[in-house]
Amino acid sequence: DTGVSQNPRHKITKRGQNVTFRCDPISEHNRLYWYRQTLGQGPEFLTYFQNEAQLEKSRLLSDRFSAERPKGSFSTLEIQRTEQGDSAMYLCASSSRGGSNEKLFFGSGTQLSVL
Amino acid sequence: AQRVTQPEKLLSVFKGAPVELKCNYSYSGSPELFWYVQYSRQRLQLLLRHISRESIKGFTADLNKGETSFHLKKPFAQEEDSAMYYCALVGNEKLTFGTGTRLTIIP
Repeated sequence: DTGVSQNPRHKITKRGQNVTFRCDPISEHNRLYWYRQTLGQGPEFLTYFQNEAQLEKSRLLSDRFSAERPKGSFSTLEIQRTEQGDSAMYLCASSSRGGSNEKLFFGSGTQLSVL
Repeated sequence: AQRVTQPEKLLSVFKGAPVELKCNYSYSGSPELFWYVQYSRQRLQLLLRHISRESIKGFTADLNKGETSFHLKKPFAQEEDSAMYYCALVGNEKLTFGTGTRLTIIP
């Protein structure tokens, strides 16, 4: 499968624990995005990278959230001291161009449940 | 600020009937709009983009700047069109999505 890969598919954790998700984009894509989706809502932008540079972070991304993309390849999203409100589907997407040709390729997502 | 509004959470249409999924947007610049679709148990994927003026799977969408709308239309619905549809806008190099419309085609 040469699409965007996300691991794990599901994560159940207790409140207060730290979790880390991984995203492997399509190999030639230089842009990588993280979105969060809760029930009944569309995907909400969290942050994005161009190569290894993190270019923008949403206000939704509190201090407990951190994302990295070392070497401009895979990315990780870490949530520290998880809260029940963090329960959501976390989506990763990648693209090769911006602007009017912005076609995002999405992964299957990581479903986080915080108990 | 950019905003995308999809007023219908649910839409049911009989097979063979016309389909229209509504999308309105708010953006101060020149908008670039898209429709994404998510079929059952599949990933979110691009359906069409306004700049391409394309028809995909029989769907078309016209950008109406006067009404700030980008409604998705298909003249004859098919059962395989049942899915979740999201309208999205590119602004400041990121996509902003609407809340989505779940389309159900009644056989």
